[in-house]
Amino acid sequence: DVKVTQSSRYLVKRTGEKVFLECVQDMDHENMFWYRQDPGLGLRLIYFSYDVKMKEKGDIPEGYSVSREKKERFSLILESASTNQTSMYLCASSLGYGIAITYNEQFFGPGTRLTVL
Amino acid sequence: KQEVTQIPAALSVPEGENLVLNCSFTDSAIYNLQWFRQDPGKGLTSLLLIQSSQREQTSGRLNASLDKSSGRSTLYIAASQPGDSATYLCAVRPEDTNAGKSTFGDGTTLTVKP
Repeated sequence: DVKVTQSSRYLVKRTGEKVFLECVQDMDHENMFWYRQDPGLGLRLIYFSYDVKMKEKGDIPEGYSVSREKKERFSLILESASTNQTSMYLCASSLGYGIAITYNEQFFGPGTRLTVL
Repeated sequence: KQEVTQIPAALSVPEGENLVLNCSFTDSAIYNLQWFRQDPGKGLTSLLLIQSSQREQTSGRLNASLDKSSGRSTLYIAASQPGDSATYLCAVRPEDTNAGKSTFGDGTTLTVKP
């Protein structure tokens, strides 16, 4: 089974702190994603990566950056946390485009509930 | 821009009932559509994935159908159980991306009463 893990289930940080959210997948997937989920706004894509050191902005990249130095790990960085970044953060992974075996199914981690005070 | 809508936003049914959840999308140029389940405070669990060339997929008591031309998918749950209570989301992946960037619906929150 595909396993996507996230470094923390719950995190509390102060305004202005630098925050790192880590995501690791164990199935050699090319694609990795970071989403945030807020009541009434649904799931929104922050950044995604389709290969090591490759990244693309999603729908709401402002205030975030990402790092993918190894294929299995995708980090989301909040350079200076703000209260409006309080949210549930979800990481996901999938095989690359054109690999038909599993039809590019997305697999999600358990989520990190981040609170910024 | 792709828009994905799930109606109703919430549904409550008695145990044992068969039910249908709906997902509609505005751009039919899709690569696949995936249904997820999310329990409160948890991540998303993949239920079924339908490729654009397929009409339906089945897993246990779940059956998902896809009508790409009309921009609709349904998730059929047979003989519902209280354990099926969760939020169900659909996600549509477009054809023209090599990274699987998907658009999600807001979900339907299902409550199955014992």
